[in-house]
Parts: sequence; C-alpha cells; structure tokens
Amino acid sequence: EDKVVQSPLSLVVHEGDTVTLNCSYEVTNFRSLLWYKQEKKAPTFLFMLTSSGIEKKSGRLSSILDKKELFSILNITATQTGDSAVYLCAHTGGGTSYGKLTFGQGTILTVHP
Amino acid sequence: NAGVTQTPKFRILKIGQSMTLQCTQDMNHNYMYWYRQDPGMGLKLIYYSVGAGITDKGEVPNGYNVSRSTTEDFPLRLELAAPSQTSVYFCASTGTLNTGELFFGEGSRLTVL
Repeated sequence: EDKVVQSPLSLVVHEGDTVTLNCSYEVTNFRSLLWYKQEKKAPTFLFMLTSSGIEKKSGRLSSILDKKELFSILNITATQTGDSAVYLCAHTGGGTSYGKLTFGQGTILTVHP
Repeated sequence: NAGVTQTPKFRILKIGQSMTLQCTQDMNHNYMYWYRQDPGMGLKLIYYSVGAGITDKGEVPNGYNVSRSTTEDFPLRLELAAPSQTSVYFCASTGTLNTGELFFGEGSRLTVL
C-alpha cells in the first residue's frame, strides 16, 4: 500500500529560525511529490517535484526531492509568525493508481514571535 | 467561476442516519477527490474519480459511497452514520495532474452523535 510519512509531527520555533520538514514515501508507481500549506481552512499549493535534485524555490521556502532515497524536504528560512500552519506532503500515483493523490499526516509548525 | 462548491457546510447526524455531501465544480475538471480530516491530522483519501463514470477507492472508503454521473458533480454518500465518521470533509478537483495543484471546496464539518 502506498504510504507518505512526515516528520516531525510538530515543531515549535522562534521567528528568524530555519526549519526543515521531512517527507518520506513508499509508492508503487511514483509520479510526483507535492507540498501544501494549510492554515485555517483548505490546503493551498506550494510545490510540485518530479525530478531528483532539482530545487524548487518560492521566497523563503524551498524544496527538493531525492527519488533514490524516496524522500523530500521543505525548508523555510527566516521563519515568521505567518508561517505557522500545517504543512502537508502528498504524492500522485501512476500506473494502476493513476490519478490517486495521497497525503501524509502533516507537520504542525508553530512560530513564536 | 464558483470553483468547487460543497454543501452543507455543517451537519449533525444521529447514529444510523444517512446523508449525502454534495460537491460540484464548474471548471470542467476531470479529476475529483473526497478527503476527510480529523483534528490535528492530515487528509485521508476516501474516494477519487479520474472522469465521469469512473470512481476508485482511496485509503478509507468503508462506510462511504460515491458516484460520478457527470463531470461537474461528485456526491459522497454516508450510509448508517457512525461516531467514527465525525470529521471535516473536503472535496477537491483538478484539470491536470501536471501542475499538482488541487482546487478545494471550503469543507463540510460533520458530527455524528
């Protein structure tokens, strides 16, 4: 069965700190790895990764995928209180699981002033 | 465009009752998803659909049913509601798996007492 496992489950930091969130996966037919941010309501899209070693960046957030070791990391530098959220990792399946989009359990990030 | 519309937003059910959560999208998206989210947890995939007439089970399909008779609509049916089905339900859609971005509804909070 396909699995997405995130760590840590929760993290508390102070403004200005740098954090690294981890996502490991076991999938039969890998297609892509996704990162989402969820504040009060529905998740919002951050990144999609399909190739190993290519970093995606958006402002203070960046992410990279390692398809050999089956994991991805999300880095947030110079954290702000507005970064407090649940960060979700997901993968999309291919082959017989084409279209299936499975999320991990999320990492709850709390940034204190 | 209204995007993804879910109804109702809130519902309280008694054990053993049945109900349907409605989801409709006006973006002509082929891919549609139902997730449930328990407090402090990630999103668990209930059912998904890659097009009209095609549905498939996700991670937690027991106690639920879906249909996809049109591109726009993807209702989720709960039969014989149980307290374990108390959760927030999100419907989502996308037109392509090439971007990784899902469009979410606002969520439906269901309580089974």
